[in-house]
Amino acid sequence: GQQLNQSPQSMFIQEGEDVSMNCTSSSIFNTWLWYKQDPGEGPVLLIALYKAGELTSNGRLTAQFGITRKDSFLNISASIPSDVGIYFCAGQYSNSGYALNFGKGTSLLVTP
Amino acid sequence: DAGITQSPRHKVTETGTPVTLRCHQTENHRYMYWYRQDPGHGLRLIHYSYGVKDTDKGEVSDGYSVSRSKTEDFLLTLESATSSQTSVYFCAISEGLAKNIQYFGAGTRLSVL
Repeated sequence: GQQLNQSPQSMFIQEGEDVSMNCTSSSIFNTWLWYKQDPGEGPVLLIALYKAGELTSNGRLTAQFGITRKDSFLNISASIPSDVGIYFCAGQYSNSGYALNFGKGTSLLVTP
Repeated sequence: DAGITQSPRHKVTETGTPVTLRCHQTENHRYMYWYRQDPGHGLRLIHYSYGVKDTDKGEVSDGYSVSRSKTEDFLLTLESATSSQTSVYFCAISEGLAKNIQYFGAGTRLSVL
């Protein structure tokens, strides 16, 4: 599958701070998805993006589909302790059919 | 977990033994997937199914087989388990390819000794 570069690999922040993470690809994607995984659980979908330039919010989370269709970012505003977890981006490109390509994740730690 | 049940949740087995993991869904989704998750590799697709008895290989299919005899069940079999197959296995389902939102089960942690 296509490699997704997700950064940063980990973040250690204080409660109340804003967070930003991103994913880039060498291929053009037609779908970007952002998931969160808590310890011992499966990934849970946060936001789905389908159009270049699309900006979508889900509570304190905001994600954007890059205009080049090769990148996406996720922002978390005013972080709280329950934001702790691993955040994954996933993308699908037009010729991949079924396949989602996943980034390696951003581990977020939030201190009170 | 979008009506997805994986069993068992934890398993320890010995090298060379066959192992079968089960994924059961109550959503009547057409597509089902098996992934493995390893540190430093993220989620990698093993096999997927696009209908009853219709399956295909993913990125890391060697040493694995799958079967889907009913819409709701997708089985992953390690034909002869090896230590390199120690991993966390996730099942996912999706309604269709158009938007391909995949929903994940809680995972099975497998240790091969």
